[in-house]
Amino acid sequence: DAGITQSPRHKVTETGTPVTLRCHQTENHRYMYWYRQDPGHGLRLIHYSYGVKDTDKGEVSDGYSVSRSKTEDFLLTLESATSSQTSVYFCAISRGQVISSYNEQFFGPGTRLTVL
Amino acid sequence: KQEVTQIPAALSVPEGENLVLNCSFTDSAIYNLQWFRQDPGKGLTSLLLIQSSQREQTSGRLNASLDKSSGRSTLYIAASQPGDSATYLCAVLTVTGGGNKLTFGTGTQLKVEL
Repeated sequence: DAGITQSPRHKVTETGTPVTLRCHQTENHRYMYWYRQDPGHGLRLIHYSYGVKDTDKGEVSDGYSVSRSKTEDFLLTLESATSSQTSVYFCAISRGQVISSYNEQFFGPGTRLTVL
Repeated sequence: KQEVTQIPAALSVPEGENLVLNCSFTDSAIYNLQWFRQDPGKGLTSLLLIQSSQREQTSGRLNASLDKSSGRSTLYIAASQPGDSATYLCAVLTVTGGGNKLTFGTGTQLKVEL
């Protein structure tokens, strides 16, 4: 258990509304990630963070933004939700302060988002 | 672009059988490979991490091997049990920009029957 919580765990929203998902960690890890999981596509990286206020895009970042104002919180925002963003969203952290073969990622429980 | 493939997509075996799950990747410039387990409606649980310089890792009834040059990894499960039923995912780590990136396969869905 890497002390990762996600909120909300389930959310149903309507097309065009803004949505913010929260990832919270208790172990002061530097690296945090947001993934989405869809049938047939596996898990794909949306955005990641390598420190407070330091973020970068992943492979499916269009329509998403992130913010990290504190080490423990990483927020994912859908500015105007679309049906194609219906998915399960996972937050992850990686232990260690160095990019190396020792880095191992640990995942939160996920948020199931439905956009109608 | 790194691509990860897992074969088979689904597997059903009787309890007690030893089994092998396969993972292949297209770019051998990886830092490590992780095997995960995912139960329905749940998050991912890390099972084993193999660093790029290692050939295998063991944890209990699980043994994972890595052949980086050929782009292959296997997860061996000994004496399978119904509680092993889950989806197993492999993922390879590469480094991009300021962070690292895991590329996932789409998984093997395992069912162990009584």
